[in-house]
Amino acid sequence: DAKTTQPPSMDCAEGRAANLPCNHSTISGNEYVYWYRQIHSQGPQYIIHGLKNNETNEMASLIITEDRKSSTLILPHATLRDTAVYYCIVRERTGANSKLTFGKGITLSVRP
Amino acid sequence: DVKVTQSSRYLVKRTGEKVFLECVQDMDHENMFWYRQDPGLGLRLIYFSYDVKMKEKGDIPEGYSVSREKKERFSLILESASTNQTSMYLCASSAPGRPTYEQYFGPGTRLTVT
Repeated sequence: DAKTTQPPSMDCAEGRAANLPCNHSTISGNEYVYWYRQIHSQGPQYIIHGLKNNETNEMASLIITEDRKSSTLILPHATLRDTAVYYCIVRERTGANSKLTFGKGITLSVRP
Repeated sequence: DVKVTQSSRYLVKRTGEKVFLECVQDMDHENMFWYRQDPGLGLRLIYFSYDVKMKEKGDIPEGYSVSREKKERFSLILESASTNQTSMYLCASSAPGRPTYEQYFGPGTRLTVT
């Protein structure tokens, strides 16, 4: 799986958009970008994934650059409950036995 | 919504005890996983199972075994608990054959071995 690079931390004000960057310059053509988050003392939570088109669901939007070497997760209206560690993962859509490998992620702190 | 439950949130056991961690999912998922998470080491896969009675070793299976007698239940067994197995244990499940392979995690069991 391609390596990802995320800044260690960022913060944003409650109600504002949180834009979380991720670099994955060695991504290959059949690798997807996945985002998970982990709120303190809870299990990780799947957020969204994409291949090359921008994606949106009820939780977030994912913007992938045209060259696919970086992406941004957008939480449109951050709340205090969005304070968590966010993990960007790149992996193939391989068989059902794919394991997840989390790096250090980015710690998002939402301030009142 | 997928729900993955784990038998305990917190567990304290003594060195040498046999420990059972239970995980149940209610979405008829074929795949189930056991991870442990430690500060600075991230998430590491212990075992996974892609069908009833099937199991595969992950990256760190030593000291652990698993059991999958029913589709919805995946148990992690520490045959003889040791202090270096103090960790957060996370169970996850996923459904193969879908366009995506997102994994759904339980709340975790924080195990302390004294």
